[in-house]
Amino acid sequence: ETGVTQSPTHLIKTRGQQVTLRCSSQSGHNTVSWYQQALGQGPQFIFQYYREEENGRGNFPPRFSGLQFPNYSSELNVNALELDDSALYLCASSSGQGANNEQFFGPGTRLTVL
Amino acid sequence: AQRVTQPEKLLSVFKGAPVELKCNYSYSGSPELFWYVQYSRQRLQLLLRHISRESIKGFTADLNKGETSFHLKKPFAQEEDSAMYYCALIKGGSYIPTFGRGTSLIVHP
Repeated sequence: ETGVTQSPTHLIKTRGQQVTLRCSSQSGHNTVSWYQQALGQGPQFIFQYYREEENGRGNFPPRFSGLQFPNYSSELNVNALELDDSALYLCASSSGQGANNEQFFGPGTRLTVL
Repeated sequence: AQRVTQPEKLLSVFKGAPVELKCNYSYSGSPELFWYVQYSRQRLQLLLRHISRESIKGFTADLNKGETSFHLKKPFAQEEDSAMYYCALIKGGSYIPTFGRGTSLIVHP
């Protein structure tokens, strides 16, 4: 069984650019959630995808968008990057969207915006 | 909106001492509460959830609705317990977690 993987590991961008982060879910999981974790803070929910549809969204602007593919892997896209977007981005997969479905986290992508 | 507060950024204890990591929440309904742990160089992972009423690695957590708390406790800390601990809440009928800022636990030999 393969765990959740994320790519790239690190990324440096400049303000105004666009970035795409990728996540492969754990085998058998159909739900992917994305989180932003700023330094010294807990993860903050961005959105969740369930069977290729956005299923819930946190308090993030529309320039944060995503996709889920038929194999349940997912992308997080951020447009018009701002300095405050610098953070660790975590992806988590689960076997369903309910709270009872344990989320399994990836190692994260560290984004630095200069 | 719901909120999770972990008042201690850092908790430092000696091996064998009792440990209590505090978690307070603000939510008027019936929440589901979780503790997550992140060991050094490892991924964030679920430690325990209140509905399971289980003890994991010697840790327990009791939901106290009167005090709106979900403190994590262990009677005798071990060095391998050193990690970052996050408390999280999911409000009733939702699946979107709200995390606290985390408490770093350091257990000295």
